[in-house]
Amino acid sequence: GQNIDQPTEMTATEGAIVQINCTYQTSGFNGLFWYQQHAGEAPTFLSYNVLDGLEEKGRFSSFLSRSKGYSYLLLKELQMKDSASYLCAVRDSNYQLIWGAGTKLIIKP
Amino acid sequence: IAGITQAPTSQILAAGRRMTLRCTQDMRHNAMYWYRQDLGLGLRLIHYSNTAGTTGKGEVPDGYSVSRANTDDFPLTLASAVPSQTSVYFCASSPAGGASDTQYFGPGTRLTVL
Repeated sequence: GQNIDQPTEMTATEGAIVQINCTYQTSGFNGLFWYQQHAGEAPTFLSYNVLDGLEEKGRFSSFLSRSKGYSYLLLKELQMKDSASYLCAVRDSNYQLIWGAGTKLIIKP
Repeated sequence: IAGITQAPTSQILAAGRRMTLRCTQDMRHNAMYWYRQDLGLGLRLIHYSNTAGTTGKGEVPDGYSVSRANTDDFPLTLASAVPSQTSVYFCASSPAGGASDTQYFGPGTRLTVL
């Protein structure tokens, strides 16, 4: 079967750095997405990786290792507004997105 | 309209009733999707449409139907609602449905079936 694993919840301090991991086992791989979802709101796109390596976008970076079935989202200089759930999704061989359950990130002052 | 809109925002429905959730996008995206989101589970695809006039079944299609008469609208119908269909429903769209295609989500409909 297809499986996306992420930690359920993480806590970090304002101003610090946090790394959210995602491991996947899917039928085929056509890219990995990270989305942010604030409570009660819609998911919004953060990043897309299809090749191995690090993609940087301001305070957010995303890393992919296809051979290990592994990705992480790195958030730097954490702000209170970063408190949200972070969803990892993999596009499979049928070009459908398979979603992880999400990681709830709690930021403390 | 800007982006994707969904209606209603929330609804409480008696079991056995028929219900249509509406979704409209103004971005001229070809592909549209319906997901349900339940606590502790990832988003699960119900139905999708790669282009107007075509639809396909996702991971959890039973009890739901869709139509795609035009580019902008993609309604989701529950023919006879059951309590297990209590969930938050998100509609999404993407430009072309390809590998790097980014999906954009509507605000969601919170549905409770009693």
